[in-house]
Amino acid sequence: QVQLQESGPGLVKPSETLSLTCTVSRGPVRYRSYYWTWIRQPPGKGLEWIGFVFHSGGTSYNPSLKDRVTIAVDTAEEWFSLNLRAVTAADTALYFCAIASRGPEGGPYYFTSWGPGTLVTVSS
Amino acid sequence: DIQVTQSPSSLSASVGDRVTITCRASQTINNYVNWYQQQPGKAPRLLIYAASSLQGGVPSRFSGSRSRADFTLTISSLQPEDFATYFCQQTYSTPWTFGQGTTVDIK
Repeated sequence: QVQLQESGPGLVKPSETLSLTCTVSRGPVRYRSYYWTWIRQPPGKGLEWIGFVFHSGGTSYNPSLKDRVTIAVDTAEEWFSLNLRAVTAADTALYFCAIASRGPEGGPYYFTSWGPGTLVTVSS
Repeated sequence: DIQVTQSPSSLSASVGDRVTITCRASQTINNYVNWYQQQPGKAPRLLIYAASSLQGGVPSRFSGSRSRADFTLTISSLQPEDFATYFCQQTYSTPWTFGQGTTVDIK
């Protein structure tokens, strides 16, 4: 079973860039049907989809964050990353990486594997 | 964006109770709804995908159903480990969106 682990700074200053990495183990990043996804959850609130990257490097982002976010994948090293620019206190959240896949018959994508999450606080 | 409205936001129940949580989509999304369970401080866990398919390893007391744009998660007999927060999610179109969550606590 694929395992994921987020890593990165737990504290970021306002206006700076939040950078996180998701390391993939026991499974190929090269698997073409996966969407490598970032999701966040502000303290005490719900889940927000940030975006995903395909194996080919193609991406899809939440329009609410689109101008500030970049998600990339490194198939050689088996990790994918999140960069969120110009952060504010509103970006304080628990950040999860996850894999979205779907059954062989097609249909909806769903999150089959999640990292444990990493808390990022934006504060000076 | 497709909005997913989840209700109730919280409920209190006892062990053995039947619990029902509902999500309504702002437009037709076929069966592109998934359900997750989240314990405090943990990552969500997939329970149901494609509206009614039970994820492997999930107890059979969990079930999902669909009626047009309304989706329901049912726990047939609540167990102590089921006290948690539940989220629905649509993946019909991006941005993928989640319901606001339903917290199930002990009555």
